[in-house]
Amino acid sequence: EVQLVESGGGMIQPGGSLRLSCVASGLMIDDYTFHWIRQVPGKGLEWVSLITGVGVYTSYADSVKGRFTISRDNSQNSLYLQMNSLRSEDTAFYYCAKDLDGYDNGGLFKYWGQGTLVTVSS
Amino acid sequence: EIVLTQSPATLSLSPGERATLSCRASQTVSSYLAWYQQKPGQAPRLLIYDASNRATGIPARFSGSGSGTDFTLTISSLDPEDFAVYFCQQRTNWPPTFGPGTKVDFK
Repeated sequence: EVQLVESGGGMIQPGGSLRLSCVASGLMIDDYTFHWIRQVPGKGLEWVSLITGVGVYTSYADSVKGRFTISRDNSQNSLYLQMNSLRSEDTAFYYCAKDLDGYDNGGLFKYWGQGTLVTVSS
Repeated sequence: EIVLTQSPATLSLSPGERATLSCRASQTVSSYLAWYQQKPGQAPRLLIYDASNRATGIPARFSGSGSGTDFTLTISSLDPEDFAVYFCQQRTNWPPTFGPGTKVDFK
């Protein structure tokens, strides 16, 4: 069974940096695309970033481009989201997610972690 | 970016009743529309993908229909565990986008 566990959230001042981690179990992440999706508490969902397995292509939402960096460490079976120049509007739960089997890089989010809360506030 | 709108914002029903939730896209998404259920304190759960395909383990009382710009999620007979928020999501154009959600609550 695929399980994703995020960590690294917390409270940070505007302009600060945080690094989120997502550890996967039940599969080897090497060949798969993973996403970060965020949700302001009580509000809707916003896709943030993806990283592919083969070729290691990355993509970002316009709202975070140039500030966030997604990466992976296959040896640790882990994904990361480095968040710099944080703003109040980045306050949200951040979820790590994987596509439905057979729909890799298809934007169909079957497996989700439990989320980690990032609060940007002075 | 494709914008999804959902209606109604809140649907107040009783267990055993039929729930009909709508999702409309700002431009055609073909059949690349998914539905998710989210309960308080939990991550979203994939229910329906490509408009009408139930994900593994999803009860048959959940069904999806539609194509192009207009889609419907139907819950044929509400179980108490179905009271939650439901989001639609398109994957036709990048980035994938979500609707604002419909909350199904107890009448």
